[in-house]
Amino acid sequence: GAGVSQSPRYKVAKRGQDVALRCDPISGHVSLFWYQQALGQGPEFLTYFQNEAQLDKSGLPSDRFFAERPEGSVSTLKIQRTQQEDSAVYLCASTHDYSGANVLTFGAGSRLTVL
Amino acid sequence: QKEVEQNSGPLSVPEGAIASLNCTYSDRGSQSFFWYRQYSGKSPELIMSIYSNGDKEDGRFTAQLNKASQYVSLLIRDSQPSDSATYLCAVGGGGADGLTFGKGTHLIIQP
Repeated sequence: GAGVSQSPRYKVAKRGQDVALRCDPISGHVSLFWYQQALGQGPEFLTYFQNEAQLDKSGLPSDRFFAERPEGSVSTLKIQRTQQEDSAVYLCASTHDYSGANVLTFGAGSRLTVL
Repeated sequence: QKEVEQNSGPLSVPEGAIASLNCTYSDRGSQSFFWYRQYSGKSPELIMSIYSNGDKEDGRFTAQLNKASQYVSLLIRDSQPSDSATYLCAVGGGGADGLTFGKGTHLIIQP
């Protein structure tokens, strides 16, 4: 696709519900990143994929957070038993390079509000 | 723990003046440095990247890098109201890891 596509753009969940956020990276981009951005803060790294392999998940805040990219393209970030502190914008970014430090292109983000 | 520090602002600059944004980072092994602009409610967009010491100019933007001082800056010349946004400094290790972002500086260009 022309850009990084994320869905849903907005999600309201009741505390305790599970949510799934989808990211469709730019076609051919091998590296995919998930970031969490709380209001007034910079993006915080969550996890990184190179093709289908999850190479780094050190930023996932708890075992309630799970990410996958089974075929090396679309990725899903799943949050189980959501809590109010999970409210944030979840940004997905991709790059064509195998180096994670190359230029990232971000999607529009998924804004999660947990009530 | 890699850290990237920015003054959160707001930084207020008159239209037509030079806006100067600063960033320091903790990891001496950092290899790549980026400035992203983020409008309210939008995603970050890349405006500058720099990989070696010195200055890099692109239109009205100049990025400056000093690895010895672990310092990165962004200058915006002839500031326009449309430059009003949050500017995020991001630092990469050069390997297969993600970027570390600062909290951003909120820039306001006064007409």
